[in-house]
Order: sequence, then C-alpha cells, then structure tokens
Amino acid sequence: EAQVTQNPRYLITVTGKKLTVTCSQNMNHEYMSWYRQDPGLGLRQIYYSMNVEVTDKGDVPEGYKVSRKEKRNFPLILESPSPNQTSLYFCASSTPDRRRETQYFGPGTRLLVL
Amino acid sequence: GENVEQHPSTLSVQEGDSAVIKCTYSDSASNYFPWYKQELGKRPQLIIDIRSNVGEKKDQRIAVTLNKTAKHFSLHITETQPEDSAVYFCAAVRPGTSYGKLTFGQGTILTVHP
Repeated sequence: EAQVTQNPRYLITVTGKKLTVTCSQNMNHEYMSWYRQDPGLGLRQIYYSMNVEVTDKGDVPEGYKVSRKEKRNFPLILESPSPNQTSLYFCASSTPDRRRETQYFGPGTRLLVL
Repeated sequence: GENVEQHPSTLSVQEGDSAVIKCTYSDSASNYFPWYKQELGKRPQLIIDIRSNVGEKKDQRIAVTLNKTAKHFSLHITETQPEDSAVYFCAAVRPGTSYGKLTFGQGTILTVHP
C-alpha cells in the first residue's frame, strides 16, 4: 500500500530538549516536504527536498533542520524546541510526473512543547 | 514569494445547497492550483486541481474555476451533503520551484447541516 508514515504521532516535550520526527514514504517519490498546521494559518511549508541531499527552506524554516540521506526518509529535527513550535506537523511526498503529481500527506504528528 | 488568500474562513450551508470558496494568489507566474479536503483529525487529501491553461474543471459535484487575469480561483460544491463537512485548503505552485513547494491558503471550515 502506497503511504507516508510519520513517527511519533503524538509527542509532549519540554523546552530545549532535542527531538526528531521521522517521515518515510514507500512510493519512490523524489519530492518530500514538511508542513506545520496552526489554526487560522493553514498549512505552512517548513522545508522541502527535491531529491537526496537536495533540501531548501520553505516559508517558516526557523528553529528546524532536515536531512535527506535516503530517498524514502526525510526527518524533521528540532534542536532546541520552544513553545511556539507547538503545532500539528505533516510530512508529504510527491513526484514531478505530471500524471501522478498528487501530494501524499502523512497522518500528522501533534507536538506539544512545554 | 507567493501569497494565497482564502475566503471565507467559515461557511455554513444547508444540505443540498451549493458552496463556493474563493482564493486569490499574488504571483502571476503560478500555474498549478490544487484543492485539498481535510476531515477532522485526518490528513489533507487532494480533491481536485487545475492548471493555468484551463479555465474550469469538473469532477462530479465539485468544480474549480480559474481567472488568470484576476489571479483568483474558486471551488464550487453542488448538492452539498453532510459528509462534505471538512476544512478545505486551496494552494498555488510557482513554476521553477517544482511541485514539491506549495503555498496554501488559510483554510475554510465548511459545515453542511442536514
């Protein structure tokens, strides 16, 4: 089954404690992205990657890091989380093939930073 | 960068009525406009999309129209049903950034009353 998976699904942490949210896709997609969703603000892109070792900042990259060492994985790293990073996070993948360009979203990770 | 404005933020209709959600974008070079539906507690899913070389696209009860001159596009849902209740997001993609980089509107909460 084609899917994007994220772990963990729920996370409560404290300010300053480094954390990583994993994202994996099994569709051999070139593109992967991270978004955060906040009420009234929609989905805002944090980082995206067009292929292995190719990443770029989205609209709200401050406080986040990413890496793309393998095509299927795109982890999101918060080196020193702060309360304003409390949000719902979605990973997504897609392909540049115009016949199949749907963005597939993962199930989401709800993060609370105390 | 691209900026997408979406209205209204909430929309309440009676079952069987039509619903219209409108989005405007700032970058006249944007050429791909997907719409996503997000049910409560679930991930966003693509429901329809349109490219800048097309003025209208239909898929059963949903349709999307695009006015490139005015830089706005709209989602039309006819004969609404309670299961259409969800949050709807529009998005825009600029060429050259690849389909991995979407800019989303703020979202519209649609409620369909039986």
